[in-house]
Amino acid sequence: DAGVIQSPRHEVTEMGQEVTLRCKPISGHNSLFWYRQTMMRGLELLIYFNNNVPIDDSGMPEDRFSAKMPNASFSTLKIQPSEPRDSAVYFCASSLLTGNYEQYFGPGTRLTVT
Amino acid sequence: GQQLNQSPQSMFIQEGEDVSMNCTSSSIFNTWLWYKQDPGEGPVLLIALYKAGELTSNGRLTAQFGITRKDSFLNISASIPSDVGIYFCAGFEETSGSRLTFGEGTQLTVNP
Repeated sequence: DAGVIQSPRHEVTEMGQEVTLRCKPISGHNSLFWYRQTMMRGLELLIYFNNNVPIDDSGMPEDRFSAKMPNASFSTLKIQPSEPRDSAVYFCASSLLTGNYEQYFGPGTRLTVT
Repeated sequence: GQQLNQSPQSMFIQEGEDVSMNCTSSSIFNTWLWYKQDPGEGPVLLIALYKAGELTSNGRLTAQFGITRKDSFLNISASIPSDVGIYFCAGFEETSGSRLTFGEGTQLTVNP
């Protein structure tokens, strides 16, 4: 079975540019999570969705960050405009909404903003 | 927000040795999860624990859900070089819903 799929795996962009990260959750999972990982702050939850509806976006750093989940099999995290301090690895994870809540992570997108 | 205290932060061991790491919290958790992260990859779920006192194994890995529901440990027996990586504990607090709290990680180095 395919796990969580993220694209791109690596993104290098210049400050001020728009960045869009993509995620396809595990088929049948109805919760989706976006995390950011840095050396300084570890793994931080940015936002999560249940049944495509955003439930908690309190971790989104600022208005430059936005996330959407138009359907059960696709989500995007957008940064506009990007800044060097946004450089990090961004992970998407998915889980079932009921039952054991185990979260399964994608391989991540390493973002570098110069 | 709630933080999980994970220790040790790093370990350097010889191949064949056993390893133990643990996580503690000041609040009660309903579920404990242990992940391993290899360089350049996402965390991979190793073991999930759902009941206080539960002891679960996955190959050479054994994890336990503490009786007080405020701690968990992970043991790795007879370590091998491919055990190298960062191990994270994570858990769901009683009131956190789907929000997972992570420990800071334990960096494991295994010398052949």
